[in-house]
Amino acid sequence: QQQVKQSPQSLIVQKGGIPIINCAYENTAFDYFPWYQQFPGKGPALLIAIRPDVSEKKEGRFTISFNKSAKQFSLHIMDSQPGDSATYFCAASMGGSNYKLTFGKGTLLTVNP
Amino acid sequence: DTGVSQDPRHKITKRGQNVTFRCDPISEHNRLYWYRQTLGQGPEFLTYFQNEAQLEKSRLLSDRFSAERPKGSFSTLEIQRTEQGDSAMYLCASSLGTVNTEAFFGQGTRLTVV
Repeated sequence: QQQVKQSPQSLIVQKGGIPIINCAYENTAFDYFPWYQQFPGKGPALLIAIRPDVSEKKEGRFTISFNKSAKQFSLHIMDSQPGDSATYFCAASMGGSNYKLTFGKGTLLTVNP
Repeated sequence: DTGVSQDPRHKITKRGQNVTFRCDPISEHNRLYWYRQTLGQGPEFLTYFQNEAQLEKSRLLSDRFSAERPKGSFSTLEIQRTEQGDSAMYLCASSLGTVNTEAFFGQGTRLTVV
């Protein structure tokens, strides 16, 4: 059973575009929702995370939108750059950031110059 | 470099052989996690430690897998009698284990079973 569903599987945008990646979860006990960025041959690195008591969080060019009633959250990347080309994973956890993470399957983002 | 360190970075082994991976967490991090990532998938939780105690194991961790964290510092993950289906990236992460602290991932060990 996949508890976190991520879409799209891949995404291509032009430089300056705003890619949007969506995730949906089923377990209402999840209370921590991070996004990770992974480059080939590297481990995932935390980009930004949100808790269900807020509907939006922004850090630099990255924004998470969270819809608790729909059990969905999304990542927006403003003014995307070729250096943002990577695989992005959403994840969820019960018990905050100090517990095991359940990951989505990932979105391969390509930002063309 | 004071990040999470994993060794080796790559391992090629023949089916049926035993392999062992090592993870050195960020110092003072008392939580340590192992995940497995196959091609085109997100990481999947295997097990985690609070100091030296192994607190949870996933159903993915068959009896051929064993993880240890002696003295609550580095950790090892051993796979006995490897199978081709064990081919994956094995990721280690560590965290302080207090509220609102993130887990930091290592670069992983890429295992190929031939």
